[in-house]
Amino acid sequence: GAVVSQHPSRVICKSGTSVKIECRSLDFQATTMFWYRQFPKQSLMLMATSNEGSKATYEQGVEKDKFLINHASLTLSTLTVTSAHPEDSSFYICSARPGFYGYTFGSGTRLTVV
Amino acid sequence: QQQVKQSPQSLIVQKGGISIINCAYENTAFDYFPWYQQFPGKGPALLIAIRPDVSEKKEGRFTISFNKSAKQFSLHIMDSQPGDSATYFCAASQGSGNTGKLIFGQGTTLQVKP
Repeated sequence: GAVVSQHPSRVICKSGTSVKIECRSLDFQATTMFWYRQFPKQSLMLMATSNEGSKATYEQGVEKDKFLINHASLTLSTLTVTSAHPEDSSFYICSARPGFYGYTFGSGTRLTVV
Repeated sequence: QQQVKQSPQSLIVQKGGISIINCAYENTAFDYFPWYQQFPGKGPALLIAIRPDVSEKKEGRFTISFNKSAKQFSLHIMDSQPGDSATYFCAASQGSGNTGKLIFGQGTTLQVKP
């Protein structure tokens, strides 16, 4: 089946530094990928839609300058959290659509900013 | 974001019982309604999904009931097992590609007691 690989699974960084999270579609091409953020005991909130070869589309209230998204190829999208602060600590999950309707999710990245 | 409302927030069921989780949506243009299971620290995994042209879909112990006129859908877990203890999310999306954003319900934490 379609697989989305997300790395790293866990990362701890110091406040003020930047962190990059990778999301790869392993056996299909993804012109569109989706990035979600999930706080403890809460639902997944869509942050942005990543589009191969063009700018990402951000949801209302998401700072595009803080959460940089690059979708340089049909199998790779990256999310960079810039100048991270403790309030950015969260579980970040990517998703892609291998077919018209289905969605496949990565295993998530636990970001802790200290 | 367009809303998908999910209830209950938490649910406790005895082993062998039936777990029922309900969702309601607003956007009549939604055309794909999946249910996801999520364990702590993991990405969501697809359980079962339905499109609005059918009223019920069953896969093993999992059944989706869909009421298009009421804009509601529900997940039934038959013969619930302790291994089913997890967080369940309903979701809805419309179309494909950039417009195919998947919007999640608030989640239901299910505990199945042995």
